[in-house]
Amino acid sequence: SAVISQKPSRDICQRGTSLTIQCQVDSQVTMMFWYRQQPGQSLTLIATANQGSEATYESGFVIDKFPISRPNLTFSTLTVSNMSPEDSSIYLCSVDGDSTDTQYFGPGTRLTVL
Amino acid sequence: AQKVTQAQTEISVVEKEDVTLDCVYETRDTTYYLFWYKQPPSGELVFLIRRNSFDEQNEISGRYSWNFQKSTSSFNFTITASQVVDSAVYFCALSEAMWNDYKLSFGAGTTVTVRA
Repeated sequence: SAVISQKPSRDICQRGTSLTIQCQVDSQVTMMFWYRQQPGQSLTLIATANQGSEATYESGFVIDKFPISRPNLTFSTLTVSNMSPEDSSIYLCSVDGDSTDTQYFGPGTRLTVL
Repeated sequence: AQKVTQAQTEISVVEKEDVTLDCVYETRDTTYYLFWYKQPPSGELVFLIRRNSFDEQNEISGRYSWNFQKSTSSFNFTITASQVVDSAVYFCALSEAMWNDYKLSFGAGTTVTVRA
């Protein structure tokens, strides 16, 4: 399976600021996904990021709040903009790592907004 | 509508006991995939198993086993002879091939605590 890294692993931010999370994969992948996991909750898909096209956002998530870049087949970024304490979550990226439709996840970024 | 239901919120057992986690799913698609993931306290999500809708053969892998029954739309997971290291949140997830978008719908998760 693909090896996925995320930066930063955790951060504490002030409300009103923005944070960009990076996701790096050790091999080329077609699809990358960004999920949010609020404290004590399950994972919710934010958007799907394909290289060379605009990200596709799920209901309840908008590009102005969560802009995503996908400049190549091994890298993506998610920005959490104008943060509020409600944005405190773990943000995880995942990739379709092989031909079996299985998603493999990065280690996550723990974000706390004060 | 909730596509994946994990009715058990928390399960606590003593080491060496068996643990069975329930997962019930809902889909209109004839081709779909079911997954179990483990999330230990460190937070990363670890892939455990994938099953497609045409493969109802149950599987055993070490202390883990899975029971997939289309007739009841269930995909249950059993840990045999549990160990403290099995303490984690376990998520069941569904991917529907109809849209060819590989999105995962997760259940709410079941927190397993194994006491020494």
